[in-house]
Amino acid sequence: QQQVKQSPQSLIVQKGGISIINCAYENTAFDYFPWYQQFPGKGPALLIAIRPDVSEKKEGRFTISFNKSAKQFSLHIMDSQPGDSATYFCAASYTGRRALTFGSGTRLQVQP
Amino acid sequence: DTAVSQTPKYLVTQMGNDKSIKCEQNLGHDTMYWYKQDSKKFLKIMFSYNNKELIINETVPNRFSPKSPDKAHLNLHINSLELGDSAVYFCASSQRGGQSYNEQFFGPGTRLTVL
Repeated sequence: QQQVKQSPQSLIVQKGGISIINCAYENTAFDYFPWYQQFPGKGPALLIAIRPDVSEKKEGRFTISFNKSAKQFSLHIMDSQPGDSATYFCAASYTGRRALTFGSGTRLQVQP
Repeated sequence: DTAVSQTPKYLVTQMGNDKSIKCEQNLGHDTMYWYKQDSKKFLKIMFSYNNKELIINETVPNRFSPKSPDKAHLNLHINSLELGDSAVYFCASSQRGGQSYNEQFFGPGTRLTVL
């Protein structure tokens, strides 16, 4: 019930393309869904987050789409850049349990 | 300037040894965490402290003992280190508030290698 399933495991996109990473969860108590970006040798850093009362959130080139009925959410990176090459983690948590449950991560490579 | 700091950055030690990792945050947060990232990059919560009180203790061997001397510090002590303890350990902090959606800020990680 605490699992968050993430796909794909790795993704190669050309510069300027769209990167899409998907996550699915089982626990309907989850009410916070952040995406974290991690560069090699660094700690994860919050990229964008959404709550289930909205179906989409956009910040610059990054968009989260959320489908509550399907218990799925996804990250879209528009106009992908080589500097976006990193590992991306989806996560979830709920009120009463502040700890994040992470997906397994997606290694994104944006080729110039 | 650093929001969440950890020491040391790298830790190489022999099996059976006892070691500690220190974490400090200067964000004024009241909740701190330890996460473990294994060799496959999977991140998993180990412990969570709120105002020096342990609130989450996942199924972690009791060789791992967190200690929070004050709200700004959360240290991790590991006894009798085993090969399987090799991983990157991340400290994080957040302001608890009344909702779940409080950003967690992560430290730079401590890479522990047990030989």
